[in-house]
Amino acid sequence: EAGVVQSPRYKIIEKKQPVAFWCNPISGHNTLYWYLQNLGQGPELLIRYENEEAVDDSQLPKDRFSAERLKGVDSTLKIQPAELGDSAVYLCASSLENTNTGELFFGEGSRLTVL
Amino acid sequence: AQKITQTQPGMFVQEKEAVTLDCTYDTSDQSYGLFWYKQPSSGEMIFLIYQGSYDEQNATEGRYSLNFQKARKSANLVISASQLGDSAMYFCAMTPWGYQKVTFGIGTKLQVIP
Repeated sequence: EAGVVQSPRYKIIEKKQPVAFWCNPISGHNTLYWYLQNLGQGPELLIRYENEEAVDDSQLPKDRFSAERLKGVDSTLKIQPAELGDSAVYLCASSLENTNTGELFFGEGSRLTVL
Repeated sequence: AQKITQTQPGMFVQEKEAVTLDCTYDTSDQSYGLFWYKQPSSGEMIFLIYQGSYDEQNATEGRYSLNFQKARKSANLVISASQLGDSAMYFCAMTPWGYQKVTFGIGTKLQVIP
């Protein structure tokens, strides 16, 4: 069974440029998450989807960040324009709907460097 | 609101020895789940073990056990018989029951010494 797939693994851009990250969750997982992980910190939730609906985007900086999951499967996270402070790892995770065990399946992350 | 505290930035353990990674938490929820994730240098977060707040017995998964003390609000991870492959970052996390909003701690870096 394929795991959560993210791309690109690494991205280097100059500030004020746009960037997009793609995530394909595990087949059958209705819930998809985007997390931000700064160096030396734990992941922080940006947005959570149940199918195609964003049910929790309270931590998403909506002035520059946007996300979509149009068909309830794969998802894209966009930053426009990027700032120096956006340098971090962007993790995508998926889980079965309504699981209470906390078991999230993560991808390997997309490491962003903003120069 | 939920809060996870991990006070050990780094830990060393001799191969084949046991090690305990500390985790305390704070929540106003009556029911919740606690768990641990491992993050190797490759970056992928790997689910290790889960404990429900209503569980009276400590969870165990192979060499991993979760020492759950509800009154003290602690959920320490015990790794027995450490292996070199256990070297990684370890994150304690929690979520309210019935709602997948996982909050992570800042992690503990474990290094296993041959």
